[in-house]
Amino acid sequence: GDSVTQMEGPVTLSEEAFLTINCTYTATGYPSLFWYVQYPGEGLQLLLKATKADDKGSNKGFEATYRKETTSFHLEKGSVQVSDSAVYFCALSDPFGGATNKLIFGTGTLLAVQP
Amino acid sequence: NAGVTQTPKFQVLKTGQSMTLQCAQDMNHEYMSWYRQDPGMGLRLIHYSVGAGITDQGEVPNGYNVSRSTTEDFPLRLLSAAPSQTSVYFCASSYVNSGGLRNEQFFGPGTRLTVL
Repeated sequence: GDSVTQMEGPVTLSEEAFLTINCTYTATGYPSLFWYVQYPGEGLQLLLKATKADDKGSNKGFEATYRKETTSFHLEKGSVQVSDSAVYFCALSDPFGGATNKLIFGTGTLLAVQP
Repeated sequence: NAGVTQTPKFQVLKTGQSMTLQCAQDMNHEYMSWYRQDPGMGLRLIHYSVGAGITDQGEVPNGYNVSRSTTEDFPLRLLSAAPSQTSVYFCASSYVNSGGLRNEQFFGPGTRLTVL
């Protein structure tokens, strides 16, 4: 079945460091790919998305490119801030996958940014 | 717009007790769903609904019931709580557009449930 694998955390960085969180997926068909962020004590918020190969999603300085050839959707940011400390989830969805609209999540990666 | 709201934020139950987790959305979304979040496992789908009067099981439905009498509300019922149901529960909703394409989901703030 479809699955998402993302790098284990925690990832600890100093402010202004470069961030990469790896995400790879296994899916039949052509899934949409998402990054969600969960700040402490809050629900998940959509950070960015890409719906087809070579699409780049971007938001708040974060970027991820849908790479079909490597089945990857790595999250990057050039200069992290303390306020970026959160748990990041990679997820996929088959946009026409019947009734469920099921999101399949990775296990999440905790990012801690130190001043 | 309040978005997706959930109550309560926290709940402690004893084994065997029942309770209902409330979820409401004011965005007129057709699709609503419940997930549970457990350490090291990401989020897993419990039940979902594609519209009022229509519900179906997700990946981990055992021990939970749902109903969808209105577009806005999608409560999750625990029939007889067990320690294995200790988790954080998230409700989510999304549009379904005319082409059948389902869009990104909006999540509520979560309910943290502990079953002793």
